[in-house]
Amino acid sequence: GGIITQTPKFLIGQEGQKLTLKCQQNFNHDTMYWYRQDSGKGLRLIYYSITENDLQKGDLSEGYDASREKKSSFSLTVTSAQKNEMAVFLCASSMQGDQDTQYFGPGTRLLVL
Amino acid sequence: QQKVQQSPESLIVPEGGMASLNCTSSDRNVDYFWWYRQHSGKSPKMLMSIFSNGEKEEGRFTVHLNKASLHTSLHIRDSQPSDSALYLCAASGTGGLSGKLTFGEGTQVTVIS
Repeated sequence: GGIITQTPKFLIGQEGQKLTLKCQQNFNHDTMYWYRQDSGKGLRLIYYSITENDLQKGDLSEGYDASREKKSSFSLTVTSAQKNEMAVFLCASSMQGDQDTQYFGPGTRLLVL
Repeated sequence: QQKVQQSPESLIVPEGGMASLNCTSSDRNVDYFWWYRQHSGKSPKMLMSIFSNGEKEEGRFTVHLNKASLHTSLHIRDSQPSDSALYLCAASGTGGLSGKLTFGEGTQVTVIS
């Protein structure tokens, strides 16, 4: 077994601020993902990475940057937070391949004032 | 337009009853379907996956897949209050090794006593 940890658990920022969310996994998984989930809705892919130093854009990458400095960690930066933005950002990881299960972290809840 | 469509949006089921959820992909490149369950305030957890035509049963949960129509359904028999959750359908298999998932908007299931 393994675990995915996300920090911080809650993030409150100001409009226009740059905010960074962090994710660590000890599954030794190759691929990591960042999703955004608005309240009660489905997940939208922001960025993913199939190996260290690789970055691939998802459908919702505008306004975000990502960084995968090592296999176990994946960071997401909100480049300029938007007022009234409220969402949960979920990190996930999986082995490489379309048949491999994705495991999710507990999420970071973002509120922009 | 959402590539993975789920119906209904919400469902109220009496305890002990049957819940039936539907999901269709409009992307003909997908090969694999997943059902995730997300309890309120928690992260999604993989419930069942199905990759071949036909049916798969695990306890009270049964999934069906029709690859020709890219339609999958999830059936929960003898529903329990603990089954109350957001059920997310996802599809993968668009090529490459990313394991990238496209999620639907989910079906909110409420089991009432």
